[in-house]
Amino acid sequence: ELKVEQNPLFLSMQEGKNYTIYCNYSTTSDRLYWYRQDPGKSLESLFVLLSNGAVKQEGRLMASLDTKARLSTLHITAAVHDLSATYFCAVTDTGNQFYFGTGTSLTVIP
Amino acid sequence: ETGVTQSPTHLIKTRGQQVTLRCSSQSGHNTVSWYQQALGQGPQFIFQYYREEENGRGNFPPRFSGLQFPNYSSELNVNALELDDSALYLCASRKGQGFNSPLHFGNGTRLTVT
Repeated sequence: ELKVEQNPLFLSMQEGKNYTIYCNYSTTSDRLYWYRQDPGKSLESLFVLLSNGAVKQEGRLMASLDTKARLSTLHITAAVHDLSATYFCAVTDTGNQFYFGTGTSLTVIP
Repeated sequence: ETGVTQSPTHLIKTRGQQVTLRCSSQSGHNTVSWYQQALGQGPQFIFQYYREEENGRGNFPPRFSGLQFPNYSSELNVNALELDDSALYLCASRKGQGFNSPLHFGNGTRLTVT
């Protein structure tokens, strides 16, 4: 079974600081997705990464994919309070099944 | 464009009972999948339907079953409920089987089994 690991699991950071969330997965996959979940809410799609070296940016968030290392990163630049949420990465296998990581709970402190 | 809608939003059941959760896919989406999200965990894949046929299943027992209807709406049925079935159940839809489009999630059904 494909395993997806994220670290850190919990992240508390000050406003204005930069940080990176890491997502490792256990088998070959060229597709990786990032989602955001606010407390008590559903998951919102952030990024879809479909090839080795893919990089996508939206506002203060930038995601990248290294399929050879089986690693994706979600970089946060100059964090603001509105970014506080839980972030999940997910990969798919050849059977179209999505495997989600355990999530990174981010708290941005003023 | 109407998003993914799920009903009910909350449900309390007793151990041993049966439950049916419902999902209306986003317009134009013919693939629907269901996920179980326990507190503090990531979503776990239950199964997926494409054009009314199940075409993927996660590590869940047979008492978890589903249906997809011609209008692409879907049901998740759970028989013989157990305490560990308490979780947020998420429905997600997407267009076709391609990977360019992400999953679009509904707001979920919070199931509590007592």
